Amino acid sequence: AQSVTQLDSHVSVSEGTPVLLRCNYSSSYSPSLFWYVQHPNKGLQLLLKYTSAATLVKGINGFEAEFKKSETSFHLTKPSAHMSDAAEYFCVVSDGRAGTALIFGKGTTLSVSS
Amino acid sequence: NAGVTQTPKFQVLKTGQSMTLQCAQDMNHNSMYWYRQDPGMGLRLIYYSASEGTTDKGEVPNGYNVSRLNKREFSLRLESATPSQTSVYFCASSEWWGDGRYEQYFGPGTRLTVT
Repeated sequence: AQSVTQLDSHVSVSEGTPVLLRCNYSSSYSPSLFWYVQHPNKGLQLLLKYTSAATLVKGINGFEAEFKKSETSFHLTKPSAHMSDAAEYFCVVSDGRAGTALIFGKGTTLSVSS
Repeated sequence: NAGVTQTPKFQVLKTGQSMTLQCAQDMNHNSMYWYRQDPGMGLRLIYYSASEGTTDKGEVPNGYNVSRLNKREFSLRLESATPSQTSVYFCASSEWWGDGRYEQYFGPGTRLTVT
């Protein structure tokens, strides 16, 4: 069975400061992990994905995440927040087998102030 | 190449009415999924189809039925809508290719209100 926990429901940062969104996962298999972003009243956009290649994954818009098996974590970071980063972020886990569903975290709302 | 398409984009139903949400993908993916999104709950899996001819229940299947019409299309039916089914519904498809690549795409969503 798989599960994912996003440790913060809401994160607030100032523009230009670092962003850290935390995600822990549980999976019976070698997991695949994803981060999605959703801007208000918009669809889901894939930020980045880990599928058993390099543990440090770079995504779009300057985001990156590091897969740490020993800590069962996949935290999302960005060195410098931009106002346009304000959105809801979802950590997603799959057990990596063909045909198995994606399991979503409950989401973290990122607010960015000027 | 349209990706994953969903119809309709918006719908308002009265309690007890029925409707079918349509989803189609043109990427030759084997697996397709229906999720619902509610505030503070993330996306929850309603049903999925690992491949053509198979369907399985997800986390919240009650009140819904699905049909995998062919490899491209996966529909979600509400037989007798209730206000608790007011939500945004997302269809998705995915595939693990033989060379290790993994693709997944989401549709734009259907916003359903049941009064």
